[in-house]
Amino acid sequence: QQQVKQSPQSLIVQKGGISIINCAYENTAFDYFPWYQQFPGKGPALLIAIRPDVSEKKEGRFTISFNKSAKQFSLHIMDSQPGDSATYFCAASGDYKLSFGAGTTVTVRA
Amino acid sequence: ETGVTQSPTHLIKTRGQQVTLRCSSQSGHNTVSWYQQALGQGPQFIFQYYREEENGRGNFPPRFSGLQFPNYSSELNVNALELDDSALYLCASSAGLAVHEQYFGPGTRLTVT
Repeated sequence: QQQVKQSPQSLIVQKGGISIINCAYENTAFDYFPWYQQFPGKGPALLIAIRPDVSEKKEGRFTISFNKSAKQFSLHIMDSQPGDSATYFCAASGDYKLSFGAGTTVTVRA
Repeated sequence: ETGVTQSPTHLIKTRGQQVTLRCSSQSGHNTVSWYQQALGQGPQFIFQYYREEENGRGNFPPRFSGLQFPNYSSELNVNALELDDSALYLCASSAGLAVHEQYFGPGTRLTVT
């Protein structure tokens, strides 16, 4: 039973474009929503995170939008660069553990 | 500040064997969580150790067990290995029970043949 659903599975974007990844959850007890970036052969690295009482958080080129009533949140990567090519995971924190989405592989074409 | 380290990097085992994976937590972190990441999937929570005690467990059978030592390092033991146990095993550490501030190690790639 996957508690966090993530889409799309993969996306290709041109350099300078915007990448958008969407996630949805069911458990209203989740209290924190981080995004992780993972490169091949590496562990996930914390990218940006948001609490459910905030609707948007921006750090550099990365923005999280959060819709509590719809139980959805998304990651926007602005001005995408080839170095952003990686797999991105949304997650939700609750009950001492993180529940992850299935991941989105982002490919940025130069 | 030293990050999370894991050993070994890779290993190959035969079905039915036992394996021990090791993790050293980030300096100042006293909580270690273990995750299994199958190829093409998101990490799945196995269990968490806090102050040397198991603090929570995911949907994994008892043949997955662990330990945490006084220096907060941790071991993951898997008995009676099955082919489906082939995965990347990730260790993450955090300060206290703030799991939303978990930092992951590079993982151990386990292949069961």
